[in-house]
Amino acid sequence: DTEVTQTPKHLVMGMTNKKSLKCEQHMGHRAMYWYKQKAKKPPELMFVYSYEKLSINESVPSRFSPECPNSSLLNLHLHALQPEDSALYLCASSQVETGFNYGYTFGSGTRLTVV
Amino acid sequence: RKEVEQDPGPFNVPEGATVAFNCTYSNSASQSFFWYRQDCRKEPKLLMSVYSSGNEDGRFTAQLNRASQYISLLIRDSKLSDSATYLCVVNVNWGKLQFGAGTQVVVTP
Repeated sequence: DTEVTQTPKHLVMGMTNKKSLKCEQHMGHRAMYWYKQKAKKPPELMFVYSYEKLSINESVPSRFSPECPNSSLLNLHLHALQPEDSALYLCASSQVETGFNYGYTFGSGTRLTVV
Repeated sequence: RKEVEQDPGPFNVPEGATVAFNCTYSNSASQSFFWYRQDCRKEPKLLMSVYSSGNEDGRFTAQLNRASQYISLLIRDSKLSDSATYLCVVNVNWGKLQFGAGTQVVVTP
């Protein structure tokens, strides 16, 4: 299995809603990532989990809350989002060794619209 | 200076022609370099990894120049399906890869 699976593929939510994005991989990768991508821009890193522990938070607002229940799963909990948070949210995983990254495998993303 | 810089293009390429473009990076300690391809409204997909001086895969060749801190991607015999945005990606540290803004390639019949 060489895939990263993200659900849902599309999500429309109101500014008072709570929702969660889910990501799963079975490649044995021990690093998992959340990225946000706006149209015609490169992906922007949000969070990095390494061995199920949060290792990088790129100063993301607290209305985004990541969770890594186990080595295969990564969630992103959303609460009280703003319309400007509408974007493509990408999950990725990678095999890493000390000082070395073998590149990401991306999921197909969740296209989020906040209304 | 941005950590990873790319010419945004677009590079308009006749079908069958060769196109090449570069990416410069600022962190001389970077060890992993990648080219990703991204189609409109799709996720990035890994095209090539470059860990030493270069890599070749069919019509695609990537070269790494550590002295001048750039990597290049060359596409030979361009196909219409090669039209995409090509993202240059460089590792900043083990866990963080830095993306360039992307180079758009448009292959025309």
